[in-house]
Amino acid sequence: DGGITQSPKYLFRKEGQNVTLSCEQNLNHDAMYWYRQDPGQGLRLIYYSQIVNDFQKGDIAEGYSVSREKKESFPLTVTSAQKNPTAFYLCASKTGALNQPQHFGDGTRLSIL
Amino acid sequence: GQQLNQSPQSMFIQEGEDVSMNCTSSSIFNTWLWYKQDPGEGPVLLIALYKAGELTSNGRLTAQFGITRKDSFLNISASIPSDVGIYFCAGQRGNAGNNRKLIWGLGTSLAVNP
Repeated sequence: DGGITQSPKYLFRKEGQNVTLSCEQNLNHDAMYWYRQDPGQGLRLIYYSQIVNDFQKGDIAEGYSVSREKKESFPLTVTSAQKNPTAFYLCASKTGALNQPQHFGDGTRLSIL
Repeated sequence: GQQLNQSPQSMFIQEGEDVSMNCTSSSIFNTWLWYKQDPGEGPVLLIALYKAGELTSNGRLTAQFGITRKDSFLNISASIPSDVGIYFCAGQRGNAGNNRKLIWGLGTSLAVNP
């Protein structure tokens, strides 16, 4: 089954800890994206990657880090520098073709203990 | 970052009614996308629009790319309970650099009374 898999579905973090959210796709998509979703604020772009070994900051990159060592994988680390990490995190991917839409995983909900 | 103006913010309708929502921007876009999000899940693409004036249907859903390229609307006909969810519009300004990033509306929350 082709798709975008985010894991875990729910994640809890103690204050001061780093946590890593997984995003894997088997769609052979070139570009991958991480969004944060808070109630009433829509989707905000954290980081994106258009090709392997390259990534760009989005609108709210502070306190987050990413890597893109493989085409299929784009993990997001929420660092202790992110002071308000409780949110719903969404990963998306798309082909490299112009104007093709992004497709989303089912999200990871991160909460602070 | 920039956001699209999406309205209405929420709607509560009776089953069988038609629904209309829209997004506007001060900037020109070359792509408009409409997504639906169910609680606790990721957005699912409903309709993609690529040309000014384009009118596209997907079952009971119809969306149009405004001729000014600054707006788009989504209509749902004969609503049913499973239409409940949050509908998002998203636009892309261009094909290079930062213009390739999607700009998102804040969503329209739809509730349907059976």
